[in-house]
Amino acid sequence: GAGVSQSPSNKVTEKGKDVELRCDPISGHTALYWYRQSLGQGLEFLIYFQGNSAPDKSGLPSDRFSAERTGGSVSTLTIQRTQQEDSAVYLCASSLALSSGGRNEQFFGPGTRLTVL
Amino acid sequence: AQSVTQLGSHVSVSEGALVLLRCNYSSSVPPYLFWYVQYPNQGLQLLLKYTSAATLVKGINGFEAEFKKSETSFHLTKPSAHMSDAAEYFCAVTTASGGSYIPTFGRGTSLIVHP
Repeated sequence: GAGVSQSPSNKVTEKGKDVELRCDPISGHTALYWYRQSLGQGLEFLIYFQGNSAPDKSGLPSDRFSAERTGGSVSTLTIQRTQQEDSAVYLCASSLALSSGGRNEQFFGPGTRLTVL
Repeated sequence: AQSVTQLGSHVSVSEGALVLLRCNYSSSVPPYLFWYVQYPNQGLQLLLKYTSAATLVKGINGFEAEFKKSETSFHLTKPSAHMSDAAEYFCAVTTASGGSYIPTFGRGTSLIVHP
């Protein structure tokens, strides 16, 4: 079946503009995660969803970042008033339910490379 | 709380040589451990995982890892490196209970394979 898809694959924007990144998880995966990967850095956890609910938003870097998930499927990560330090690869992952514990591996999308000029 | 340390941001080996990528974890409860690989311009994909069954775990592409509780380690090995193994490798930990199910990732180790 299809894997996790993300769009766009690349996004170049000007400082101060808003951007919206999309993630389509694997069908049936109730858990969905967003990460940020900067050059030479590891994965920075941003937020996760269990169904449509995001129990922990503390990983979001600032109030310019928000995310939502609808229908237990597609998720969008929105960055308002983008700054140059927002430039990074944004990765989305999905997995089977978190309620079954931490044994389920994550399936990652190819990422969206965001460049803020 | 849980954490992961990957020793060495870069590891360089010759083709055909042993690959050893180190991962140490910290967890107050029994862990689940994962190794992921990231090829250039791609997302991460699972190499192998430990979920409290056999301590020696075999994964894809000839990789394996051994869970050593006494050393709190989960090092990744491959007997003979191939050029196609050049990639970024991430170790991750979650916990079975009493902790966070959200994986904590190490900072990654870049494997460089020389001809």
